[in-house]
Amino acid sequence: QVQLQQSGTELVKPASSVKISCKASGYTFTSYYISWIKQTTGQGLEYIGYINTGSGGTNYNEKFKGKATLTVDKSSSTAFMQLSSLTPDDSAVYYCARGRTFAYWGQGTLVTVSS
Amino acid sequence: DVVMTQTPVSLSVSLGGQTSISCRSSQSLVHSDGNTYLYWYLQKPGQSPQLLIYKVSNRFSGVPDRFSGSGSGTDFTLKISRVEPEDLGVYYCYQGTHYPWTFGGGTKLELK
Repeated sequence: QVQLQQSGTELVKPASSVKISCKASGYTFTSYYISWIKQTTGQGLEYIGYINTGSGGTNYNEKFKGKATLTVDKSSSTAFMQLSSLTPDDSAVYYCARGRTFAYWGQGTLVTVSS
Repeated sequence: DVVMTQTPVSLSVSLGGQTSISCRSSQSLVHSDGNTYLYWYLQKPGQSPQLLIYKVSNRFSGVPDRFSGSGSGTDFTLKISRVEPEDLGVYYCYQGTHYPWTFGGGTKLELK
């Protein structure tokens, strides 16, 4: 069955960076993009961007350009999202999801930015 | 960005009853390829969102026929009939027609 397994909870300091992983299984990894979504209580669900898992090409929501960097390791069927220059506003649950229809989601990674 | 407005924000329903959720977009969601990329998701408490309906009215694999989607252009509806306890949670609409893709604010379905 299709599974997206994300890395665990992160507690990080302001101005630092964090890298979240999303390991896919149960399907051909390079057949579907991986998308990333941010969820906060205040802003709800926000689309961050997606990565073409075959070519490594990326497409970002303008709001997250410079904040998020998406990469992929085809050999391990894993997608990554690095968030940089973190502020408390980046505290959220971050999800990876398969494709552009988000048919399958990871379990979410809680990132808390606090000194 | 396309604004997706869901109403109501919360909804109380009796088990076995029927209800509907509205989602309106600030622009038509008809893509230049002729498709309408409007989706519905349910997020149960403590879980990730799950896909219910894709492209307005198509149920995703394993989704019961108690769920149905309809609409066109800028006006869309999710109907839930014979509500069961497992249907409770927050429902989101989402548009994948205009970049950046955007979500509605959510509708919380609770038991009456």
